[in-house]
Amino acid sequence: KQEVTQIPAALSVPEGENLVLNCSFTDSAIYNLQWFRQDPGKGLTSLLLIQSSQREQTSGRLNASLDKSSGRSTLYIAASQPGDSATYLCAVEQGAQKLVFGQGTRLTINP
Amino acid sequence: DTEVTQTPKHLVMGMTNKKSLKCEQHMGHRAMYWYKQKAKKPPELMFVYSYEKLSINESVPSRFSPECPNSSLLNLHLHALQPEDSALYLCASSLRQVRGETQYFGPGTRLLVL
Repeated sequence: KQEVTQIPAALSVPEGENLVLNCSFTDSAIYNLQWFRQDPGKGLTSLLLIQSSQREQTSGRLNASLDKSSGRSTLYIAASQPGDSATYLCAVEQGAQKLVFGQGTRLTINP
Repeated sequence: DTEVTQTPKHLVMGMTNKKSLKCEQHMGHRAMYWYKQKAKKPPELMFVYSYEKLSINESVPSRFSPECPNSSLLNLHLHALQPEDSALYLCASSLRQVRGETQYFGPGTRLLVL
């Protein structure tokens, strides 16, 4: 059974810092990996999707990498801002659109 | 319009009540999903509809009954729920139920079962 783990569970950094969130998964037979953002009590917003054949994806200040063979992904956030404060979830897609989520990293950016 | 809407935002119900959650999208998506998210836990897939037909049921108890009356609308009928069913219920949609399609999530319905 696929297990997705995110470390750390919570992270607090001052504004302007670059930071890295980690995601690991136990079964490398995945189609792709996605990073989502969830604001408190709200739904999820897709940030980046990396296909299993890709190594990384970039969108603005966000960069996600995927090392499928080692079962790891990282989300790099450059020049963090208070508006980046949210919970970040990674999810691996196994069956068509069957997403398995990690527990999330709760990120706080302090002004 | 890239929005998935869910009603109601909040719902309190007793264990003997019958209620329904509603989800709507007008993006022309043909796959729709129900997830359950307990506090401080990740979302867990419950049901998937593809072209208005039930595609995946993740062994969800029968007190949850999904319905997809048309391509834009997804309902979740609730009956005889238990307090442990209290959670945030998220709806999502994607263009199709194929690999790599982005899922768009609604804001959720926060359910409290007393």
